Amino acid sequence: GENVEQHPSTLSVQEGDSAVIKCTYSDSASNYFPWYKQELGKRPQLIIDIRSNVGEKKDQRIAVTLNKTAKHFSLHITETQPEDSAVYFCAASIEGNTPLVFGKGTRLSVIA
Amino acid sequence: EADIYQTPRYLVIGTGKKITLECSQTMGHDKMYWYQQDPGMELHLIHYSYGVNSTEKGDLSSESTVSRIRTEHFPLTLESARPSHTSQYLCASTNQGTDTQYFGPGTRLTVL
Repeated sequence: GENVEQHPSTLSVQEGDSAVIKCTYSDSASNYFPWYKQELGKRPQLIIDIRSNVGEKKDQRIAVTLNKTAKHFSLHITETQPEDSAVYFCAASIEGNTPLVFGKGTRLSVIA
Repeated sequence: EADIYQTPRYLVIGTGKKITLECSQTMGHDKMYWYQQDPGMELHLIHYSYGVNSTEKGDLSSESTVSRIRTEHFPLTLESARPSHTSQYLCASTNQGTDTQYFGPGTRLTVL
């Protein structure tokens, strides 16, 4: 089955700097890669996703890149703000066929 | 408002008790999921359902059972609660053909 590895497990950045979180997956059939943000005491919320027919997707300060050959995808947050502090989870699936497999999460701290 | 609802939000019970955690969604989604998560930590898939009368075990069944008699309702039952069941339980749902998951607010369970 699918296995998703996520790095780093913790990340501290200065406000205004960029943050990058990386994930690798094992099943080459996986074609859907979402990212979730979970603030303290709240439910995970989808922030961006990418499907295997594109290599990059942006939404304001957030971008995701996908390298199907290497089987890895990354979340990029630019101009970080204190409200970006949260735990971020990547996930992968064969969309519509298998449940999402989540990475173990990255705790991002943005220091003002 | 279309959303996922979980009750109770907090529960403290004694060892050996039988409990049912409720999850309902008003988004018309076909697929529903239960996850166990210690705060801010890894998400463990317990059970999932792709439709009425369809249920599957995830990686962590945790001595629990589920039922899916109605599309909108997916209760999780612990037959005999133990202190190791102390955790947060998150319900989620997606529509057929997509894996874009929406999470409920969670039930925080403490077993004494």
